[in-house]
Amino acid sequence: GQQVMQIPQYQHVQEGEDFTTYCNSSTTLSNIQWYKQRPGGHPVFLIQLVKSGEVKKQKRLTFQFGEAKKNSSLHITATQTTDVGTYFCAGQRGYQKVTFGIGTKLQVIP
Amino acid sequence: GAVVSQHPSWVICKSGTSVKIECRSLDFQATTMFWYRQFPKQSLMLMATSNEGSKATYEQGVEKDKFLINHASLTLSTLTVTSAHPEDSSFYICSARGGQLSTNEKLFFGSGTQLSVL
Repeated sequence: GQQVMQIPQYQHVQEGEDFTTYCNSSTTLSNIQWYKQRPGGHPVFLIQLVKSGEVKKQKRLTFQFGEAKKNSSLHITATQTTDVGTYFCAGQRGYQKVTFGIGTKLQVIP
Repeated sequence: GAVVSQHPSWVICKSGTSVKIECRSLDFQATTMFWYRQFPKQSLMLMATSNEGSKATYEQGVEKDKFLINHASLTLSTLTVTSAHPEDSSFYICSARGGQLSTNEKLFFGSGTQLSVL
């Protein structure tokens, strides 16, 4: 079945440092989505990438979809304490269910 | 964005009792809803896909008779944990996707239900 690997599982950064989480799928994806879950909260949709090589930005967040549509990354520039949470990627292949990565828990040290 | 309401937020029950969790799409019609289970510090594990007007599709390893899913309308899906046991204690979360089955539909999540079985 489809698998979505995500690394790292945990990341501690000093406030102001950059952060990146990576996702890799065992199969070519139709799209990849990114979600953020704050401690004690539920996942909130951040963005969806559909096109090969697509790059999208949301303020300090940069999302990238690989040329082969099998990998993706989320990069946060100059992290802030408000960035704390777990970031999940979720890949979809065709009409199949969305498969979530294990998530990367980000801790930002003030 | 679309709103999905999940109720209750938390529930504590005695072992052997049944618990019903509701998931409602408030401002759109959700033809498909998904039920996930999330253990502490782990990812979301899909339990079942709920389609309005038809039987739910369960993932491998999920007991159909234990986790009853009903999607009676385009805005409501329910998950009933029957004869709950302590090992069923977990965070259950629903998500909804509107419109026809699509390759590019993002998910809207409910706020989740923390179930604790004593």
